[in-house]
Amino acid sequence: EVQLMQSGAEVKKPGESLKISCKGSGYRFTSYWIGWVRQMPGKGLEWMGIIYPGDSDTRYSPSLQGQVTISADKSISTAYLQWSSLKASDTAMYYCARLPTVADAFDIWGQGTLVTVSS
Amino acid sequence: EIVMTQSPATLSVSPGERATLSCRASQSVSSNLAWYQQKPGQAPRLLIYGASTRATGLPARFSGSGSGTEFTLTISSLQSEDFAVYYCQQYNNWPLTFGGGTKVEIK
Repeated sequence: EVQLMQSGAEVKKPGESLKISCKGSGYRFTSYWIGWVRQMPGKGLEWMGIIYPGDSDTRYSPSLQGQVTISADKSISTAYLQWSSLKASDTAMYYCARLPTVADAFDIWGQGTLVTVSS
Repeated sequence: EIVMTQSPATLSVSPGERATLSCRASQSVSSNLAWYQQKPGQAPRLLIYGASTRATGLPARFSGSGSGTEFTLTISSLQSEDFAVYYCQQYNNWPLTFGGGTKVEIK
Protein backbone atom coordinates (compact mmCIF):
# COMPACT_ATOMS: atom_id res chain seq x y z
CA GLU A 1 0.00 0.00 0.00
CA VAL A 2 1.27 3.44 -0.92
CA GLN A 3 1.48 5.57 2.22
CA LEU A 4 2.92 8.78 3.58
CA MET A 5 3.34 8.69 7.36
CA GLN A 6 3.94 11.98 9.14
CA SER A 7 5.49 12.66 12.52
CA GLY A 8 3.34 13.49 15.52
CA ALA A 9 1.85 16.71 16.81
CA GLU A 10 4.20 19.37 18.17
CA VAL A 11 3.77 22.16 20.72
CA LYS A 12 6.50 24.79 20.60
CA LYS A 13 7.26 28.29 21.85
CA PRO A 14 7.91 31.28 19.60
CA GLY A 15 11.53 31.43 18.51
CA GLU A 16 12.09 27.67 18.80
CA SER A 17 13.18 25.49 15.88
CA LEU A 18 11.29 22.50 14.54
CA LYS A 19 11.65 19.77 11.94
CA ILE A 20 8.70 17.55 10.99
CA SER A 21 8.90 14.48 8.80
CA CYS A 22 7.04 12.52 6.15
CA LYS A 23 8.04 8.93 5.40
CA GLY A 24 6.99 7.29 2.17
CA SER A 25 6.39 3.58 1.72
CA GLY A 26 4.95 1.22 -0.87
CA TYR A 27 6.46 3.01 -3.86
CA ARG A 28 9.80 4.20 -5.25
CA PHE A 29 10.36 7.31 -3.09
CA THR A 30 12.97 8.80 -5.42
CA SER A 31 10.68 8.80 -8.46
CA TYR A 32 7.96 11.13 -7.17
CA TRP A 33 7.88 14.68 -5.85
CA ILE A 34 6.78 15.38 -2.28
CA GLY A 35 4.95 18.59 -1.52
CA TRP A 36 4.02 20.35 1.72
CA VAL A 37 0.61 21.99 2.20
CA ARG A 38 -0.38 24.25 5.08
CA GLN A 39 -3.87 24.56 6.53
CA MET A 40 -4.28 27.24 9.15
CA PRO A 41 -7.09 26.79 11.70
CA GLY A 42 -10.47 26.94 9.97
CA LYS A 43 -8.91 27.93 6.64
CA GLY A 44 -8.19 26.45 3.23
CA LEU A 45 -5.19 24.73 1.68
CA GLU A 46 -1.96 26.57 0.84
CA TRP A 47 0.87 25.02 -1.14
CA MET A 48 4.26 25.65 0.47
CA GLY A 49 6.81 23.89 -1.72
CA ILE A 50 7.94 20.62 -3.22
CA ILE A 51 11.07 18.47 -3.39
CA TYR A 52 12.25 15.69 -5.68
CA PRO A 53 14.02 13.22 -3.38
CA GLY A 54 15.95 11.72 -6.31
CA ASP A 55 18.16 14.81 -6.64
CA SER A 56 16.81 17.18 -3.93
CA ASP A 57 15.54 19.68 -6.52
CA THR A 58 13.35 22.00 -4.42
CA ARG A 59 10.77 24.65 -5.34
CA TYR A 60 9.13 27.05 -2.90
CA SER A 61 5.99 29.14 -2.95
CA PRO A 62 7.13 32.77 -3.42
CA SER A 63 5.06 33.81 -0.40
CA LEU A 64 6.83 31.35 1.91
CA GLN A 65 10.35 31.25 0.53
CA GLY A 66 12.90 31.90 3.24
CA GLN A 67 10.47 31.08 6.04
CA VAL A 68 10.84 27.31 5.87
CA THR A 69 13.30 24.75 4.54
CA ILE A 70 12.29 21.58 2.71
CA SER A 71 14.72 18.68 2.54
CA ALA A 72 14.78 14.93 2.01
CA ASP A 73 16.87 11.89 2.95
CA LYS A 74 16.33 9.36 0.19
CA SER A 75 18.20 6.66 2.10
CA ILE A 76 15.30 6.49 4.56
CA SER A 77 12.52 7.63 2.18
CA THR A 78 11.75 10.67 4.31
CA ALA A 79 11.03 14.30 3.51
CA TYR A 80 11.25 17.14 6.02
CA LEU A 81 9.83 20.59 6.67
CA GLN A 82 11.74 22.75 9.10
CA TRP A 83 11.64 26.14 10.77
CA SER A 84 14.59 27.90 12.39
CA SER A 85 12.48 30.32 14.43
CA LEU A 86 8.78 29.62 14.84
CA LYS A 87 6.12 32.30 15.12
CA ALA A 88 2.61 32.06 16.52
CA SER A 89 1.34 32.47 12.96
CA ASP A 90 2.98 29.13 12.05
CA THR A 91 0.27 27.37 14.05
CA ALA A 92 -1.41 25.10 11.51
CA MET A 93 -1.90 21.58 10.25
CA TYR A 94 0.83 20.60 7.81
CA TYR A 95 0.28 17.90 5.21
CA CYS A 96 2.79 16.20 2.97
CA ALA A 97 1.51 14.86 -0.32
CA ARG A 98 2.93 13.05 -3.34
CA LEU A 99 3.02 14.40 -6.91
CA PRO A 100 3.80 12.21 -9.93
CA THR A 101 5.52 15.11 -11.72
CA VAL A 102 6.77 18.61 -10.86
CA ALA A 103 3.45 20.22 -11.77
CA ASP A 104 0.68 17.80 -10.96
CA ALA A 105 -2.16 16.86 -8.68
CA PHE A 106 -1.37 15.59 -5.18
CA ASP A 107 -2.38 11.94 -5.45
CA ILE A 108 -1.45 10.57 -2.00
CA TRP A 109 -1.62 12.54 1.26
CA GLY A 110 -0.11 12.06 4.68
CA GLN A 111 -2.34 12.20 7.74
CA GLY A 112 -1.10 15.65 8.76
CA THR A 113 1.06 17.07 11.55
CA LEU A 114 -0.48 19.68 13.86
CA VAL A 115 2.01 22.35 14.90
CA THR A 116 1.00 24.67 17.73
CA VAL A 117 3.19 27.65 18.55
CA SER A 118 2.26 29.40 21.77
CA SER A 119 4.04 31.16 24.60
CA GLU B 1 0.02 33.89 -9.46
CA ILE B 2 -3.19 32.31 -10.73
CA VAL B 3 -6.12 32.95 -8.42
CA MET B 4 -8.68 30.16 -8.12
CA THR B 5 -12.18 31.24 -7.08
CA GLN B 6 -14.74 28.69 -5.93
CA SER B 7 -18.48 29.23 -5.70
CA PRO B 8 -20.61 29.05 -3.78
CA ALA B 9 -18.78 29.13 -0.46
CA THR B 10 -21.48 26.93 1.06
CA LEU B 11 -23.95 24.67 -0.75
CA SER B 12 -26.95 23.23 1.11
CA VAL B 13 -28.23 20.07 -0.54
CA SER B 14 -30.59 17.28 0.47
CA PRO B 15 -29.38 13.65 0.28
CA GLY B 16 -30.11 12.20 -3.15
CA GLU B 17 -30.04 15.60 -4.85
CA ARG B 18 -27.50 16.85 -7.37
CA ALA B 19 -24.68 19.20 -6.33
CA THR B 20 -22.84 21.46 -8.75
CA LEU B 21 -19.64 23.19 -7.59
CA SER B 22 -17.81 25.81 -9.62
CA CYS B 23 -14.15 26.79 -9.86
CA ARG B 24 -12.86 29.71 -11.91
CA ALA B 25 -9.22 30.49 -12.74
CA SER B 26 -7.93 34.04 -13.20
CA GLN B 27 -6.23 32.88 -16.40
CA SER B 28 -6.27 29.73 -18.48
CA VAL B 29 -4.98 26.57 -16.81
CA SER B 30 -5.83 24.33 -19.76
CA SER B 31 -7.07 21.03 -18.24
CA ASN B 32 -4.50 21.04 -15.45
CA LEU B 33 -7.05 21.12 -12.65
CA ALA B 34 -7.71 18.80 -9.74
CA TRP B 35 -10.53 18.48 -7.20
CA TYR B 36 -10.11 17.30 -3.61
CA GLN B 37 -12.52 16.33 -0.85
CA GLN B 38 -11.77 17.03 2.80
CA LYS B 39 -13.88 15.75 5.69
CA PRO B 40 -13.54 17.15 9.22
CA GLY B 41 -10.38 15.93 10.94
CA GLN B 42 -9.09 14.20 7.80
CA ALA B 43 -6.50 14.88 5.15
CA PRO B 44 -7.69 15.94 1.70
CA ARG B 45 -8.34 13.18 -0.83
CA LEU B 46 -7.82 13.46 -4.59
CA LEU B 47 -11.08 13.05 -6.51
CA ILE B 48 -10.47 14.34 -10.03
CA TYR B 49 -7.36 15.28 -12.04
CA GLY B 50 -6.92 16.51 -15.57
CA ALA B 51 -10.23 18.34 -15.02
CA SER B 52 -12.31 15.21 -15.71
CA THR B 53 -10.41 11.99 -14.86
CA ARG B 54 -11.69 10.24 -11.75
CA ALA B 55 -9.12 9.00 -9.25
CA THR B 56 -8.89 5.24 -8.72
CA GLY B 57 -11.93 3.89 -6.93
CA LEU B 58 -13.97 7.09 -7.05
CA PRO B 59 -17.69 6.42 -7.48
CA ALA B 60 -19.17 7.37 -10.85
CA ARG B 61 -21.56 9.86 -9.20
CA PHE B 62 -18.59 12.26 -9.14
CA SER B 63 -17.74 13.96 -12.43
CA GLY B 64 -15.55 16.86 -13.46
CA SER B 65 -15.77 19.06 -16.52
CA GLY B 66 -14.39 22.23 -18.03
CA SER B 67 -11.16 23.63 -19.44
CA GLY B 68 -9.42 26.97 -19.67
CA THR B 69 -10.84 29.09 -16.86
CA GLU B 70 -14.20 27.50 -15.97
CA PHE B 71 -14.55 24.15 -14.22
CA THR B 72 -17.34 22.19 -12.57
CA LEU B 73 -17.51 19.30 -10.12
CA THR B 74 -20.85 17.53 -10.15
CA ILE B 75 -22.07 15.00 -7.61
CA SER B 76 -25.10 13.42 -9.25
CA SER B 77 -26.87 12.05 -6.16
CA LEU B 78 -25.45 13.11 -2.82
CA GLN B 79 -24.78 10.40 -0.29
CA SER B 80 -24.29 11.03 3.43
CA GLU B 81 -20.53 10.47 3.09
CA ASP B 82 -20.25 13.24 0.46
CA PHE B 83 -20.93 16.09 2.87
CA ALA B 84 -17.52 17.73 3.12
CA VAL B 85 -15.41 20.63 1.86
CA TYR B 86 -14.24 20.50 -1.76
CA TYR B 87 -11.17 22.30 -3.13
CA CYS B 88 -9.97 22.85 -6.67
CA GLN B 89 -6.28 23.24 -7.49
CA GLN B 90 -4.48 24.32 -10.66
CA TYR B 91 -1.14 22.85 -11.65
CA ASN B 92 -0.62 24.58 -14.98
CA ASN B 93 1.50 27.43 -13.63
CA TRP B 94 3.84 28.10 -10.71
CA PRO B 95 3.05 28.55 -7.93
CA LEU B 96 0.47 25.79 -7.63
CA THR B 97 -2.69 27.32 -6.18
CA PHE B 98 -5.86 26.13 -4.49
CA GLY B 99 -9.33 27.60 -4.45
CA GLY B 100 -10.86 28.70 -1.17
CA GLY B 101 -13.18 25.70 -0.97
CA THR B 102 -16.90 24.94 -1.12
CA LYS B 103 -18.58 23.39 1.90
CA VAL B 104 -21.37 20.98 0.96
CA GLU B 105 -23.75 20.70 3.89
CA ILE B 106 -26.95 18.85 4.58
CA LYS B 107 -30.09 20.85 3.83
